[in-house]
Amino acid sequence: GAGVSQTPSNKVTEKGKYVELRCDPISGHTALYWYRQSLGQGPEFLIYFQGTGAADDSGLPNDRFFAVRPEGSVSTLKIQRTERGDSAVYLCASSLSISYPDNEQFFGPGTRLTVL
Amino acid sequence: RKEVEQDPGPFNVPEGATVAFNCTYSNSASQSFFWYRQDCRKEPKLLMSVYSSGNEDGRFTAQLNRASQYISLLIRDSKLSDSATYLCVVSSGSARQLTFGSGTQLTVLP
Repeated sequence: GAGVSQTPSNKVTEKGKYVELRCDPISGHTALYWYRQSLGQGPEFLIYFQGTGAADDSGLPNDRFFAVRPEGSVSTLKIQRTERGDSAVYLCASSLSISYPDNEQFFGPGTRLTVL
Repeated sequence: RKEVEQDPGPFNVPEGATVAFNCTYSNSASQSFFWYRQDCRKEPKLLMSVYSSGNEDGRFTAQLNRASQYISLLIRDSKLSDSATYLCVVSSGSARQLTFGSGTQLTVLP
């Protein structure tokens, strides 16, 4: 079946611009996670949704970052007033549920964001 | 101090070699432990979960020492296709998110 998909695969923007990154989770997966991976580092947690609500947004670095999942499926990560330090690969993952044994997280291919 | 620490490598080994990766974690509340594999410019994929009793999956063996807060991965009879970055990952019971180490890069040479 289809895995997690993310669009766009690459995004180049200028400092100060607004960007939206989209994630389509695996069908039927209730939990959705956003991570950010900088070069040479492991992914870092940003936020996760259980259904439509953000269950934990403690990883969002500041208030320029916001994410939504209005219908409990597709999610959009929004970054305002982008800065060069926001350049990274943004990874989305989904899991069937948050409870073992259905909590394995499946990752999408990521969106590579470059802020010039 | 990072929550999950790994030797970044790189590890360059010949085909057929045995290689071991180590990882330490600082959060004693961590309850779930994993090794993920990440190929260059690809997404991370679950390699195996790690249990206190230790577990094996073919050529891969994972061990967990809760007292020392230490996790290991052993790869026997390395194949060229094992070349990748191996990420040590922990999760606490209350937090659903995964906490990743920086990864250990492995290259298996012909």
